[in-house]
Amino acid sequence: QQQVKQSPQSLIVQKGGISIINCAYENTAFDYFPWYQQFPGKGPALLIAIRPDVSEKKEGRFTISFNKSAKQFSLHIMDSQPGDSATYFCAAGGNKLVFGAGTILRVKS
Amino acid sequence: NAGVTQTPKFRILKIGQSMTLQCTQDMNHNYMYWYRQDPGMGLKLIYYSVGAGITDKGEVPNGYNVSRSTTEDFPLRLELAAPSQTSVYFCASSLKRGFTGELFFGEGSRLTVL
Repeated sequence: QQQVKQSPQSLIVQKGGISIINCAYENTAFDYFPWYQQFPGKGPALLIAIRPDVSEKKEGRFTISFNKSAKQFSLHIMDSQPGDSATYFCAAGGNKLVFGAGTILRVKS
Repeated sequence: NAGVTQTPKFRILKIGQSMTLQCTQDMNHNYMYWYRQDPGMGLKLIYYSVGAGITDKGEVPNGYNVSRSTTEDFPLRLELAAPSQTSVYFCASSLKRGFTGELFFGEGSRLTVL
């Protein structure tokens, strides 16, 4: 079954703190793991993505950690800012692209 | 560049009515997609197209139809609207096959069926 389970559903973090969102997948055929960021009233936009040949990818304050054996990956947002408040979707891709249910992040100033 | 443009942004339909959601992209992408987004459910693929004249079903195609006569346009038609089709619809495009590449989304069309 091609599912991607995402947690938590919502998250409140203080400004400057670390936001962590976790995802787990089932199908070992997936070989592309993107994270999308969506602001209210807008479409999702690609934030960062990783392939399973590396365990970590960092772009500025955003880092994906990938654990192939556990079939889990996570998004870490360092020094979280109010402007990071958005909904975040993980996804797993291969012959299909399956999205997680989303995490609503609110960064308090 | 405008990217992916969807119209209308909002629409209210009565049960049984039909309508077409329009989507156009100016990035010369071959691949285009229609997703629906429901609260707490993520994004579900309705239909996709790998080029003009070629379309295929996604996860939730029932009650919808698509066509792709040009590279730029990928309209989604709802026949006999039902309350279960109340959702936010997103059109997307990609340069390479979107299952392993970046998707570019429009701003969405919010549809309510009463």
